[in-house]
Amino acid sequence: QQQVKQSPQSLIVQKGGIPIINCAYENTAFDYFPWYQQFPGKGPALLIAIRPDVSEKKEGRFTISFNKSAKQFSLHIMDSQPGDSATYFCAASMDQGAQKLVFGQGTRLTINP
Amino acid sequence: DAGITQSPRHKVTETGTPVTLRCHQTENHRYMYWYRQDPGHGLRLIHYSYGVKDTDKGEVSDGYSVSRSKTEDFLLTLESATSSQTSVYFCAMARTSGSDTQYFGPGTRLTVL
Repeated sequence: QQQVKQSPQSLIVQKGGIPIINCAYENTAFDYFPWYQQFPGKGPALLIAIRPDVSEKKEGRFTISFNKSAKQFSLHIMDSQPGDSATYFCAASMDQGAQKLVFGQGTRLTINP
Repeated sequence: DAGITQSPRHKVTETGTPVTLRCHQTENHRYMYWYRQDPGHGLRLIHYSYGVKDTDKGEVSDGYSVSRSKTEDFLLTLESATSSQTSVYFCAMARTSGSDTQYFGPGTRLTVL
């Protein structure tokens, strides 16, 4: 049962564009929503995370927008660069005890020069 | 990269053989996790540990067992490998529970013929 649905599966954007990746979740008990970035041959690395008490969080060129009523959240990358080309995963978990992350299916992002 | 390693990095085995994957961390983190990564599924939690000798099941635990006899080592065992267990396996660690950052290892690519 997929509790976090991510789209699109793949995305190609020109340098300087703003790719947007969307995620929707089902479990209303989730209260921690991280995004992970993964380069080929590497493990995922935490990029940015948000909790449901805020609607937006920015860290550098990366922004998470969160819509609690719609149970949706999205990642925006401002001024995208070829070095941002990677696979991005959204995830969700409950902020109690062990952090049992439920991941989306992933989005392969390509930024063309 | 963040003091977490996995061994072996690649393994090819035959159906029905036992396989053990090792995760080793040097950060004295309490929590450790095993995930598998498959196309179209993102990462899925197999088992996790919240202390020495304290483990619990994740989303896809059937066919897998784990052990943690020391803080720094978390072993994943496939008692009798099947072709459906062909995957990339990642371990992760976190210092505390809740929304603390999970740091992932470099992964082990396992092929079951």
